[in-house]
Amino acid sequence: DVKVTQSSRYLVKRTGEKVFLECVQDMDHENMFWYRQDPGLGLRLIYFSYDVKMKEKGDIPEGYSVSREKKERFSLILESASTNQTSMYLCASSLQGAGYTFGSGTRLTVV
Amino acid sequence: AQSVTQLGSHVSVSEGALVLLRCNYSSSVPPYLFWYVQYPNQGLQLLLKYTSAATLVKGINGFEAEFKKSETSFHLTKPSAHMSDAAEYFCAVSATGYSTLTFGKGTMLLVSP
Repeated sequence: DVKVTQSSRYLVKRTGEKVFLECVQDMDHENMFWYRQDPGLGLRLIYFSYDVKMKEKGDIPEGYSVSREKKERFSLILESASTNQTSMYLCASSLQGAGYTFGSGTRLTVV
Repeated sequence: AQSVTQLGSHVSVSEGALVLLRCNYSSSVPPYLFWYVQYPNQGLQLLLKYTSAATLVKGINGFEAEFKKSETSFHLTKPSAHMSDAAEYFCAVSATGYSTLTFGKGTMLLVSP
């Protein structure tokens, strides 16, 4: 089975900190995605990548950046964490034309 | 642009009753459609997908969905609910196999004994 591993299940960070959320997949998928999930809003796409060193903005990229130096790893960076970035963050990977495989999520609290 | 509307943020059924979760989509091209399930404190798991083959799609755990182009719908059904089906369900649409997924806001399924 494809595995998508997110390095932390729970994180608590302070306002203004730089935060790194790590995601690793083990099935050689080209595509990787970062979503945030908030009650009543569903999943919203932050950034995605179709190849190494490639990145595209999703629907809500403000306040975030990403890095994909290796095919299997896709990192989400909060440059200066704010309380409105408290959320569940979900990483996913896929092959072209297939459904996504999701990680278990990272619940981030910014205080 | 594509979009998904899930009717009802919460649906309650009794164990053994029919489950019907509604999803309507908007897409300018023939869509790819997906249903995902999320159990508490977990990521999303793919239930089933429609990619322009048979309009009735069977998925895991006894769920199925029917693509109806004339109604722009992709409703999820299961003949008999189990307690273990209690979870949040997300419908998603992709314009092609090469574009990103757009998700609905989710429907929480509650199953009572």
